[in-house]
Amino acid sequence: GAVVSQHPSWVICKSGTSVKIECRSLDFQATTMFWYRQFPKQSLMLMATSNEGSKATYEQGVEKDKFLINHASLTLSTLTVTSAHPEDSSFYICSASGNPDTQYFGPGTRLTVL
Amino acid sequence: EDKVVQSPLSLVVHEGDTVTLNCSYEVTNFRSLLWYKQEKKAPTFLFMLTSSGIEKKSGRLSSILDKKELSSILNITATQTGDSAIYLCAVDGWGGGTSYGKLTFGQGTILTVHP
Repeated sequence: GAVVSQHPSWVICKSGTSVKIECRSLDFQATTMFWYRQFPKQSLMLMATSNEGSKATYEQGVEKDKFLINHASLTLSTLTVTSAHPEDSSFYICSASGNPDTQYFGPGTRLTVL
Repeated sequence: EDKVVQSPLSLVVHEGDTVTLNCSYEVTNFRSLLWYKQEKKAPTFLFMLTSSGIEKKSGRLSSILDKKELSSILNITATQTGDSAIYLCAVDGWGGGTSYGKLTFGQGTILTVHP
């Protein structure tokens, strides 16, 4: 089956630093990748959609300058949380969609900003 | 704005019980409805439903979509403690263009199965 990996699985950083999270489709080419955020006891909220080689589309209320998304290849997308603050602490999950376009989720990255 | 509502929000049962989880939606350009199981990490895929009235089955789990009622149910029979998880319903409301494959998730149903 389709496998999506994320790295790191967890990260703790100081307020004001930037954190990069990688999302890789291991055995298929992902034309589209999605980034979600999940706060404790809440559901997944879509942050942005990225297509390989083009700019990401951000959902309303998500700051594109704060959450930088790069989808440089068909197997890799990165999310960089710039100048992270404690309120950015969350569980970040990516998903990848290829052909057929079922979304497969990565294992998630737990970000804690001190 | 697309909306997905799940009920109940939480459910506590004993092993062997049968449970039914509900999902209703309001979405433009409906393409499919998906069920996921989430334990400690990211959701794992259970079912994708596109056609009304056709039951999908996998072991003790089954699901069906009712496009007329804009809803779906997920049934779990003979529940086990390993079924304890959050069950998420999501709808793919293909907005076209850059909204391809956008999923809107419900709040989830927290299922707890006691021995």
